[in-house]
Amino acid sequence: KNEVEQSPQNLTAQEGEFITINCSYSVGISALHWLQQHPGGGIVSLFMLSSGKKKHGRLIATINIQEKHSSLHITASHPRDSAVYICAAFNTDKLIFGTGTRLQVFP
Amino acid sequence: DAGVTQSPTHLIKTRGQQVTLRCSPISGHKSVSWYQQVLGQGPQFIFQYYEKEERGRGNFPDRFSARQFPNYSSELNVNALLLGDSALYLCASSADMNTEAFFGQGTRLTVV
Repeated sequence: KNEVEQSPQNLTAQEGEFITINCSYSVGISALHWLQQHPGGGIVSLFMLSSGKKKHGRLIATINIQEKHSSLHITASHPRDSAVYICAAFNTDKLIFGTGTRLQVFP
Repeated sequence: DAGVTQSPTHLIKTRGQQVTLRCSPISGHKSVSWYQQVLGQGPQFIFQYYEKEERGRGNFPDRFSARQFPNYSSELNVNALLLGDSALYLCASSADMNTEAFFGQGTRLTVV
């Protein structure tokens, strides 16, 4: 079993829909990263959080340390949101990555 | 301000050869980490360097080595390349060891 699990693996949505991606982890962490990876490979950091909730534009990330669970929400989704979303847990000296959620948003 | 820069962006090597990948962190960042991402999988941790010292090593063979220079830039070296080393190699920099990581665009290595 992976130390960081994401669900769903694939997600298809219509433009305007509310999207939720979930991340569960089994290791101790100091913080959790949400990352976005576009075709071609470049990774963009969306959020780093260790408690509560953060919001940036249409993106919201929450984390529940006791339940070892985090969620990434996208409101009013748009085709340009299509990408792979990855959660990664900070564990001592390294990031442990989930396998990613591939999101496709259709017009 | 420039982000994390990696060079080269693409590279093709033959089995048995050696390769050096380079990473320049964001100005002021002292920590550089290297990750390997095989197609279809999430990145896997290779090394972390902080203040020019190795602070963490993932489960990779000794063919993989790295170093960090006084200007905090870093090199990843892979010797005796195998077909399975074909991957996207990502460099991430952060101001400190456990602060937010910022990623470069990666170096795509193909071993033939």
